[in-house]
Amino acid sequence: AQKVTQAQTEISVVEKEDVTLDCVYETRDTTYYLFWYKQPPSGELVFLIRRNSFDEQNEISGRYSWNFQKSTSSFNFTITASQVVDSAVYFCALTLTPGANSKLTFGKGITLSVRP
Amino acid sequence: DGGITQSPKYLFRKEGQNVTLSCEQNLNHDAMYWYRQDPGQGLRLIYYSQIVNDFQKGDIAEGYSVSREKKESFPLTVTSAQKNPTAFYLCASSVRHGGFYEQYFGPGTRLTVT
Repeated sequence: AQKVTQAQTEISVVEKEDVTLDCVYETRDTTYYLFWYKQPPSGELVFLIRRNSFDEQNEISGRYSWNFQKSTSSFNFTITASQVVDSAVYFCALTLTPGANSKLTFGKGITLSVRP
Repeated sequence: DGGITQSPKYLFRKEGQNVTLSCEQNLNHDAMYWYRQDPGQGLRLIYYSQIVNDFQKGDIAEGYSVSREKKESFPLTVTSAQKNPTAFYLCASSVRHGGFYEQYFGPGTRLTVT
């Protein structure tokens, strides 16, 4: 069975600080897909990124960057120069299938608070 | 505006009553999903439907039922058999993007049963 562990439960930073959210996953399959979602106070999950197991290239999107390392089964997310609007719960998730029957396994989420 | 709507945002029921949560999408997506979220927990899959008139149990289907009579609609009924129904319920739908079905989530319904 798959498992996603987000060991950090709550993180509080001051605006403009950099912050890294950790994600460790477990699966015996060689093909899998990893995700990060943001859940603002409104409740809706917002998709941030998807990464395939066969693509270890790191990715940067504006202030967001992701570090995927198969050797340590980690898919960490860094926010550079954090802003108050980044305050949310962040979930890491994993699935084995790309199809409509895709079952996402979620971590418990990390609550990020960015103080002005 | 295309999207997923869930109504109402907050729902209150007495213990022992069945309650139906609405989920509608006008994105023309084939697949739809229901997730449950408890405080400090990740989302867990309740049911999913890949096409109209077909649905499968997820990881925590006991005490829930669904129907998929129309492509746009995937209502979830929380029955009195569900022992801990108070939770935040999220609906999602998915469409194929380059070989992968991306899931898009609705705003959720917070159900409180007392």
